[in-house]
Amino acid sequence: NAGVMQNPRHLVRRRGQEARLRCSPMKGHSHVYWYRQLPEEGLKFMVYLQKENIIDESGMPKERFSAEFPKEGPSILRIQQVVRGDSAAYFCASSPAGGGLSTEAFFGQGTRLTVV
Amino acid sequence: DQQVKQNSPSLSVQEGRISILNCDYTNSMFDYFLWYKKYPAEGPTFLISISSIKDKNEDGRFTVFLNKSAKHLSLHIVPSQPGDSAVYFCAAPNNTDKLIFGTGTRLQVFP
Repeated sequence: NAGVMQNPRHLVRRRGQEARLRCSPMKGHSHVYWYRQLPEEGLKFMVYLQKENIIDESGMPKERFSAEFPKEGPSILRIQQVVRGDSAAYFCASSPAGGGLSTEAFFGQGTRLTVV
Repeated sequence: DQQVKQNSPSLSVQEGRISILNCDYTNSMFDYFLWYKKYPAEGPTFLISISSIKDKNEDGRFTVFLNKSAKHLSLHIVPSQPGDSAVYFCAAPNNTDKLIFGTGTRLQVFP
């Protein structure tokens, strides 16, 4: 059973470009969470999605950021018109349907975004 | 508003001795707590958890203690090993099941 898969592992974008980060949850998991870790900081919640639904996006910046988790395929975190401050490690976690995160959450290895 | 706080950014411990990592929280509604371990360039991995109905949970070399009245928990690692060197995050799920993380403590275990 493959774990949570994130790709790419590393992504370099120039200011103003778009960044797309992908997350394939563990098999059988239908809940996905995105977190961001800025340098020297902890993990900050961004968004919680179930298939075709955004459940909680209270941690998402209001502009330029969007997330989706379609019926088929991976969850996508999209950042438009990237700026240097978007440089961070972005982690995805998944959990089983209805399980929430009250048990262990499984994290992917992250995508390190660098904006130059 | 930092609901989960880890006030020590780093800790250095000699191999074989006890490592104690601390975590404080402000939200009295939190009823479940988790510790995650993170190596560089990897995602966090679950280590141990504790429910608020308990005050201690032990798993091998790892023990988590919970003091609800003080809103404080701690992770004890004994004996510490060099492979334990990593960043440790304390976390708690809120009422919508999103995990709130602390800022982490970097543990270094030296020979």
